[in-house]
Amino acid sequence: SYELTQPPSVSVSPGQTARITCSADALPKQYAYWYQQKPGQAPVLVIYKDSERPSGIPERFSGSSSGTTVTLTISGVQAEDEADYYCQSADSSGTYHYVFGTGTKVTVL
Amino acid sequence: QVQLQESGPGLVKPSETLSLTCTVSGGSISSYYWSWIRQPPGKGLEWIGYIYYSGSTNYNPSLKSRVTISVDTSKNQFSLKLSSVTAADTAVYYCARDPAYCGGDCYPSGYFDLWGRGTLVTVSS
Repeated sequence: SYELTQPPSVSVSPGQTARITCSADALPKQYAYWYQQKPGQAPVLVIYKDSERPSGIPERFSGSSSGTTVTLTISGVQAEDEADYYCQSADSSGTYHYVFGTGTKVTVL
Repeated sequence: QVQLQESGPGLVKPSETLSLTCTVSGGSISSYYWSWIRQPPGKGLEWIGYIYYSGSTNYNPSLKSRVTISVDTSKNQFSLKLSSVTAADTAVYYCARDPAYCGGDCYPSGYFDLWGRGTLVTVSS
């Protein structure tokens, strides 16, 4: 089955840059999407199509892609960015079966 | 603005069928794909399946044998049924919107731009 692997945790000081990777285990890679989830809340889309930012999402959130790895970058991290982050994609077979990454807890020190 | 609201029993007995409904308010259910996603307590997200407003469906292969998703456009609702539940099906269940993209035909965009608040379903006797 298709898997997306993320680091379990990332710690960052306020104002610094947090980078969260998401690695796919198969080619070709489909577009990736990123969600932010705060405790007790539903996920919120923060990046779509690898690097596009929905309206209302701060510019400090950006996405990039290289090979089978995508990266969510949070520049100038703020305390409110502490949350779980999930990448998501579709499996490589084109059957529109969606898969979420394992999730990364971002802690703002 | 468009809002999604999950509803249904919060407690289901093992071996029975879990049934949930998602009501779409403030907008039409038409021209979108609609998904169910779940999250066991303290764990990650799992996509269950989607339905197009026309009724076409697509399910997670790992759950396909137990899942049925249906739509009622007259009520602006879509529903989930998961049969033969066990404790492993205990989770927060979310409904979510996938904005379709249309050329000649319409296809899922592959992501979820709007989510309900989620509802916790516990499987226990």
